[in-house]
Amino acid sequence: KQEVTQIPAALSVPEGENLVLNCSFTDSAIYNLQWFRQDPGKGLTSLLLIQSSQREQTSGRLNASLDKSSGRSTLYIAASQPGDSATYLCAVRTSYGKLTFGQGTILTVHP
Amino acid sequence: DVKVTQSSRYLVKRTGEKVFLECVQDMDHENMFWYRQDPGLGLRLIYFSYDVKMKEKGDIPEGYSVSREKKERFSLILESASTNQTSMYLCASSLERGLPYNEQFFGPGTRLTVL
Repeated sequence: KQEVTQIPAALSVPEGENLVLNCSFTDSAIYNLQWFRQDPGKGLTSLLLIQSSQREQTSGRLNASLDKSSGRSTLYIAASQPGDSATYLCAVRTSYGKLTFGQGTILTVHP
Repeated sequence: DVKVTQSSRYLVKRTGEKVFLECVQDMDHENMFWYRQDPGLGLRLIYFSYDVKMKEKGDIPEGYSVSREKKERFSLILESASTNQTSMYLCASSLERGLPYNEQFFGPGTRLTVL
């Protein structure tokens, strides 16, 4: 059974800092990995999708990497801003119908 | 932009009531999904559908049913609501059946409280 773990569970940083969120998964037979952002009480916003054949994806200040063989992904956020404060979730797809989610990392960026 | 909408942001129902949660997507996606999200348990898949009138059970289908009569609409039904079904319900959609490479897009969520 696929299990997804995110570390740390919570992170508080000052504005401007570069930071890394970690995601690990137990079954390397994945189709892709998706990073999401969730604001309190809201739905999920897709940030980046990395296919299993890719090593990384970039969007603005965000960069996600994937090492499928070791079961790891990282989300790098450059020059963090207070507006980045949210919960960040990673999810892996191992069949066409199913995403398995991690518990999330709660990020707080203070001015 | 893909838009996934859910019929209610907040809903309060009583134990034993029949509850309908509606989800609509406007991008002709074939796959649609219902998840619930609970503190400490994360997001869990309830049901999904890869075509009109088709449905597949997810990880926690007990106490729920679904309906997909039209491609753009996917309904989650609680036949007899119970307090342990109090949760945040999230609908999602993705482009093509059988191709697991597509991004899932989520709606804003429905916060259901069962009293």
